[in-house]
Amino acid sequence: SAVISQKPSRDICQRGTSLTIQCQVDSQVTMMFWYRQQPGQSLTLIATANQGSEATYESGFVIDKFPISRPNLTFSTLTVSNMSPEDSSIYLCSVAPQRGGSYEQYFGPGTRLTVT
Amino acid sequence: GEDVEQSLFLSVREGDSSVINCTYTDSSSTYLYWYKQEPGAGLQLLTYIFSNMDMKQDQRLTVLLNKKDKHLSLRIADTQTGDSAIYFCAEKGTGGFKTIFGAGTRLFVKA
Repeated sequence: SAVISQKPSRDICQRGTSLTIQCQVDSQVTMMFWYRQQPGQSLTLIATANQGSEATYESGFVIDKFPISRPNLTFSTLTVSNMSPEDSSIYLCSVAPQRGGSYEQYFGPGTRLTVT
Repeated sequence: GEDVEQSLFLSVREGDSSVINCTYTDSSSTYLYWYKQEPGAGLQLLTYIFSNMDMKQDQRLTVLLNKKDKHLSLRIADTQTGDSAIYFCAEKGTGGFKTIFGAGTRLFVKA
């Protein structure tokens, strides 16, 4: 398995500001993912972040709004820019270690964001 | 496009078995997952099954896969109050790394 930590665990932010969420993994992984879980909803993939390349964004998500960094194989950040109340969600970091052909996927504890 | 569907709620009595059902549309699904999310927490991978299997058992958990009907189920034996959570079904296709999640089934366990 992989142990994933996220910072901050929660935050309350004012509209128009930006928040950067950090994700740290206890082992090197190629593929990292960022998901959003809106209140009472399922998970929606924002982007896939591979080390050494630009993040790949899903339909409906753009780099200007959700810039991602992936400086090494154990760390990534997601920034939620120019926030509005609609951005209030849980943001989850996820990894797929793919060791030994396994396709297990693990999630961090999430960052609960409230925008006022 | 790909879709994963689950019923939204299930209520059982403590000690009974719980069966959570899921259907998916992607016939190329290779891996099917069950995750558990407790209040205020992230997702915990409970178990997963390859599409070439039809059953997997892990302690109190039994996963059944009917590939013909694209139906996946999770059975929790001797359900406890600590099993109260949201259970997400998810699938991943061959060669892809995008995991599609269902809306989640909220399991209530009555003492």
